[in-house]
Amino acid sequence: SQQGEEDPQALSIQEGENATMNCSYKTSINNLQWYRQNSGRGLVHLILIRSNEREKHSGRLRVTLDTSKKSSSLLITASRAADTASYFCATRWEKLVFGQGTRLTINP
Amino acid sequence: DSGVTQTPKHLITATGQRVTLRCSPRSGDLSVYWYQQSLDQGLQFLIHYYNGEERAKGNILERFSAQQFPDLHSELNLSSLELGDSALYFCASSVAGDRRTGELFFGEGSRLTVL
Repeated sequence: SQQGEEDPQALSIQEGENATMNCSYKTSINNLQWYRQNSGRGLVHLILIRSNEREKHSGRLRVTLDTSKKSSSLLITASRAADTASYFCATRWEKLVFGQGTRLTINP
Repeated sequence: DSGVTQTPKHLITATGQRVTLRCSPRSGDLSVYWYQQSLDQGLQFLIHYYNGEERAKGNILERFSAQQFPDLHSELNLSSLELGDSALYFCASSVAGDRRTGELFFGEGSRLTVL
């Protein structure tokens, strides 16, 4: 079974709005990573947060991690049409295990 | 461009056949990972090699095997193919290979269609 589970499975918002995606996981982690996948393409790494960190920023991305609740969130601010993609969280211990992903659609 | 090269990009074959997918990692990366992505199963971890040695195994079927060669390229062999093996197969690489490892760099994938 998958380590990470994203929520929601699909999200559709207007351009300029903020998008929030959540990820829950089950066991210990060393770090948690978020990736983006454009349709049928390879995954691209967005941001990594270590287990001893609580929040991290990169450009329009903000990631939080709550190890007590075994959950993380990815916030994309001021969304653009080019942000339309699937977003995956991945948790690292012995392996890097991916969740099922959130399909994000930004409507112009 | 991630620097990870996968061939072939597309492959169509029949049930019962055998195929080999090839991956060249980024220059300097010692780890190679294989993932299978299908609509119903999501992105499944198959296997991880580090500097020629198997490091971790995931949901890899016995009909599948992989290896990493001295030049660090890797091959994933899929045999006795079934319709359900149709999927996107991704290779990814990283510099290190332990639990502290950061980002993986993904290739563009090999799309396998089994008819």
